[in-house]
Amino acid sequence: DADVTQTPRNRITKTGKRIMLECSQTKGHDRMYWYRQDPGLGLQLIYYSFDVKDINKGEISDGYSVSRQAQAKFSLSLESAIPNQTALYFCATSDTGQVKGYTFGSGTRLTVV
Amino acid sequence: TQLLEQSPQFLSIQEGENLTVYCNSSSVFSSLQWYRQEPGEGPVLLVTVVTGGEVKKLKRLTFQFGDARKDSSLHITAAQPGDTGLYLCARPFGNTPLVFGKGTRLSVIA
Repeated sequence: DADVTQTPRNRITKTGKRIMLECSQTKGHDRMYWYRQDPGLGLQLIYYSFDVKDINKGEISDGYSVSRQAQAKFSLSLESAIPNQTALYFCATSDTGQVKGYTFGSGTRLTVV
Repeated sequence: TQLLEQSPQFLSIQEGENLTVYCNSSSVFSSLQWYRQEPGEGPVLLVTVVTGGEVKKLKRLTFQFGDARKDSSLHITAAQPGDTGLYLCARPFGNTPLVFGKGTRLSVIA
């Protein structure tokens, strides 16, 4: 099994629908992150969590919410999906201490029509 | 504010050629990480550099951290099609999550 598992891998949804993207990890890391990737824009941080009781907004949190259900699980919700939220979404984890690097999931490709 | 600038944005070369990509900032890094992302996958950590002037090698890849810790480069010797992908640099910014550059998209043609 992958260290960081994202579900679903691909999703097409309609404008206005609520959708949840799920992330689970077996690394035992405390820190988890959600990034969005658009062509030419790199990875933009949506939300992050340094432990189960900690939730922080990133640079592009509007229109998104998150839930940290356990150390191993961090889900991202789009409350009312809109077409410009069409993107590739990545979950990542890290141990305490930035120098150790992030472990990413394989991503969820979301299309909002 | 663009904290990290990567250049070139795109690079297409023939198999066997050498190449260098760059990552620059106007401010000092405490450390810098390089990732490679292949199509359909998430980024994978290649290396972390911490000390100014540091050079690290990973097979045909050579990573250098500038003396002033404001820039870094990645040199690939004798590129192969398997090197194709998006190369991202990333740096910590205080105690907040990593900030990523926009990446260099490399295509190595057989």
